[in-house]
Amino acid sequence: LAKTTQPISMDSYEGQEVNITCSHNNIATNDYITWYQQFPSQGPRFIIQGYKTKVTNEVASLFIPADRKSSTLSLPRVSLSDTAVYYCLVGGATSGTYKYIFGTGTRLKVLA
Amino acid sequence: NAGVTQTPKFQVLKTGQSMTLQCAQDMNHNSMYWYRQDPGMGLRLIYYSASEGTTDKGEVPNGYNVSRLNKREFSLRLESAAPSQTSVYFCASSSPVYNEQFFGPGTRLTVL
Repeated sequence: LAKTTQPISMDSYEGQEVNITCSHNNIATNDYITWYQQFPSQGPRFIIQGYKTKVTNEVASLFIPADRKSSTLSLPRVSLSDTAVYYCLVGGATSGTYKYIFGTGTRLKVLA
Repeated sequence: NAGVTQTPKFQVLKTGQSMTLQCAQDMNHNSMYWYRQDPGMGLRLIYYSASEGTTDKGEVPNGYNVSRLNKREFSLRLESAAPSQTSVYFCASSSPVYNEQFFGPGTRLTVL
């Protein structure tokens, strides 16, 4: 079962780019990497998912090196509303992994 | 589509009482999950159901039972509640194709 390691917290200022790195040394061949965002008193919300190289959507980019032992979530030009906890997960039904481990996540605080 | 719904939203129990948390999804997803989240912590998987008719233990199954009633519904039962089970409980569902989990709004449970 792939375990992930992320920084506990990060601070940033509005308008800056934020990069959050996740380490997952024992990722399995068929595992995907998925990032979630959670606001207080709400369930986590899907941000982005990838398998290798780079994935980009309207809110974030995900960079995955060739060895896939880490990944970096990039949030361009953050705003105060991006203050939240961000979780990195590895696994997926295609690899038979249904036991997703959320860990403690990274608490991002965006300052004015 | 309502997505993932959970009932009740709030519940207060006395030690030793029992209750069932209900979860339903209308996205035709195969997999469903129950998590608990303690204050300031990440989510921990209690039980999951990879498909209708199957259930498996997650990280913290002790003190809980689950029933996958049909493809839509997945319930979590506390047979004899303990103060250590005071937490916020989230239900989620996912499609095996996309590996993205959709979360319900949560149930805040307090055990006195």
